[in-house]
Amino acid sequence: RKEVEQDPGPFNVPEGATVAFNCTYSNSASQSFFWYRQDCRKEPKLLMSVYSSGNEDGRFTAQLNRASQYISLLIRDSKLSDSATYLCVVKGNNFNKFYFGSGTKLNVKP
Amino acid sequence: DAGVIQSPRHEVTEMGQEVTLRCKPISGHDYLFWYRQTMMRGLELLIYFNNNVPIDDSGMPEDRFSAKMPNASFSTLKIQPSEPRDSAVYFCASSLGQRTTNEKLFFGSGTQLSVL
Repeated sequence: RKEVEQDPGPFNVPEGATVAFNCTYSNSASQSFFWYRQDCRKEPKLLMSVYSSGNEDGRFTAQLNRASQYISLLIRDSKLSDSATYLCVVKGNNFNKFYFGSGTKLNVKP
Repeated sequence: DAGVIQSPRHEVTEMGQEVTLRCKPISGHDYLFWYRQTMMRGLELLIYFNNNVPIDDSGMPEDRFSAKMPNASFSTLKIQPSEPRDSAVYFCASSLGQRTTNEKLFFGSGTQLSVL
């Protein structure tokens, strides 16, 4: 079983739409959680960390549900520039081992 | 800050040849990671170092792969002999190894490896 599972998509949405991604993780002892963004043919870059209480950064909201072992990312008022692959990342109980989901592709259309 | 620097950006080689990928982490970062990305398997952790010492190499696919970190500013990933199934993008990443809950990985631009 994979450490982190995501729906690969693609999610095709119009500009201005709200879109949500989920991912699940298998290790209940995982410590830290993140969303990374990867543009085509580029390296992954940190989008935001995910806190137990939930956190927001502009149009982006991340939530963590430890009981159900899933993480979510909500994007409001989608922009064309949001088109990318969104990677769910979990840091395991081995302190510095980061596990990446396979990514969810988002296409925002005009 | 120059960020994580990888070379070469692209490498095309023939099956059986030796391939060496290079990485310079961000100065002051004491963790270095090598990842491989393919369409089929996504991002896979191959090996990581702490203070130049290999900590976990369980992701290295087989003996053909080896990695070294002779000093804090340089690491190599070597494949010998290379095979077509090694074709992928290889990323190097570094981080500050503090025991915090919100650690960030900084990635290099990657090396696109094609083995013919």
